[in-house]
Amino acid sequence: TQLLEQSPQFLSIQEGENLTVYCNSSSVFSSLQWYRQEPGEGPVLLVTVVTGGEVKKLKRLTFQFGDARKDSSLHITAAQPGDTGLYLCAGGETSGSRLTFGEGTQLTVNP
Amino acid sequence: DTEVTQTPKHLVMGMTNKKSLKCEQHMGHRAMYWYKQKAKKPPELMFVYSYEKLSINESVPSRFSPECPNSSLLNLHLHALQPEDSALYLCASSLSPRPPNSPLHFGNGTRLTVT
Repeated sequence: TQLLEQSPQFLSIQEGENLTVYCNSSSVFSSLQWYRQEPGEGPVLLVTVVTGGEVKKLKRLTFQFGDARKDSSLHITAAQPGDTGLYLCAGGETSGSRLTFGEGTQLTVNP
Repeated sequence: DTEVTQTPKHLVMGMTNKKSLKCEQHMGHRAMYWYKQKAKKPPELMFVYSYEKLSINESVPSRFSPECPNSSLLNLHLHALQPEDSALYLCASSLSPRPPNSPLHFGNGTRLTVT
């Protein structure tokens, strides 16, 4: 079983601050997906990274996949209250069809 | 609006009841999933249907019974549940069952309470 360690579990910051969320594993993943989930809703895909070393930007969000495809990070610049939610990383098995989810990071951005 | 529709949104049932959760998608996706999620925790995989056939059962108790009548519909039949089964039940679909090329599209879930 492949495991993904996500940190921090909880993060409460002020509007305008920057933050980084990490997902780490000793296993290699074929891909890494990041989702955001708001209360009362299902997770929504933010990005998929597939190539080692890949960097993708989505407005104020920057996603990076480690060179060895074992880790990933999500960096948010100038956080806003609308960024509040549960952020989940999910790694695709190199063989098989399972997604392994990290434990999630509950982000609260205070105005 | 999510493209995966789940009904009902909320369900309260007793431990002797039989109920069903329903999920529908019209995106032509060929893989469909049931996940269980407790508060502030990640989703836990329960079942995967690939091309309408059950391909993964994550050792889920038999009081949960999945059904895939066609490529657009997924049901979860519930019987003799326990209070610890109370959770958000999420349905998801993907174009194919291979994660690298097929991100999951989640519904908004059914909030289940077992009394």
